[in-house]
Amino acid sequence: EAGVTQFPSHSVIEKGQTVTLRCDPISGHDNLYWYRRVMGKEIKFLLHFVKESKQDESGMPNNRFLAERTGGTYSTLKVQPAELEDSGVYFCASSAQQGRYTEAFFGQGTRLTVV
Amino acid sequence: EDQVTQSPEALRLQEGESSSLNCSYTVSGLRGLFWYRQDPGKGPEFLFTLYSAGEEKEKERLKATLTKKESFLHITAPKPEDSATYLCAVQGYSGYSTLTFGKGTMLLVSP
Repeated sequence: EAGVTQFPSHSVIEKGQTVTLRCDPISGHDNLYWYRRVMGKEIKFLLHFVKESKQDESGMPNNRFLAERTGGTYSTLKVQPAELEDSGVYFCASSAQQGRYTEAFFGQGTRLTVV
Repeated sequence: EDQVTQSPEALRLQEGESSSLNCSYTVSGLRGLFWYRQDPGKGPEFLFTLYSAGEEKEKERLKATLTKKESFLHITAPKPEDSATYLCAVQGYSGYSTLTFGKGTMLLVSP
């Protein structure tokens, strides 16, 4: 069974540019979560999709971040325009049942560096 | 607001030298406390969930315990392959969708 896949693995962009991160959840998992770890800080929740709907986006830092999950399959997280403080590792996780982190799997993460 | 504090930040052990990692937490109603292992360049890998004070779970050389204020991850006779960052996280009733993580403990086991 394929796990949660994220790409790119790494991205280096200049301040002011746009970057789009992608997450492919495990097939059949309706729940998809985005998290982020900024250097020196803990991993923090960004948002949660149930199928194509945003269930909870309380962790989204500001309106420069746009998450989508068209068709309830893969998800994208776009940062536009990117700022230096957006640098970090972005993780995606998926689960079959809502909030069931016992059965959730994380992707390997996308390391974003804004210079 | 839910909070998780892990200590120590880093721990270096000799192979076979047992020790414990600490996770202190505050949460408005604990739905579950999670322990994860994270290797460099990878995402968190689920280890245990504990739900109520007094509960214990074991997996190979790892044993997790839970009280009302903290959790311990005991590592018995560790091996070099146990080297990783260990993350603690809580899920509360107020933020059902979310996990609140600690910063983690980086464990290095030397042969």
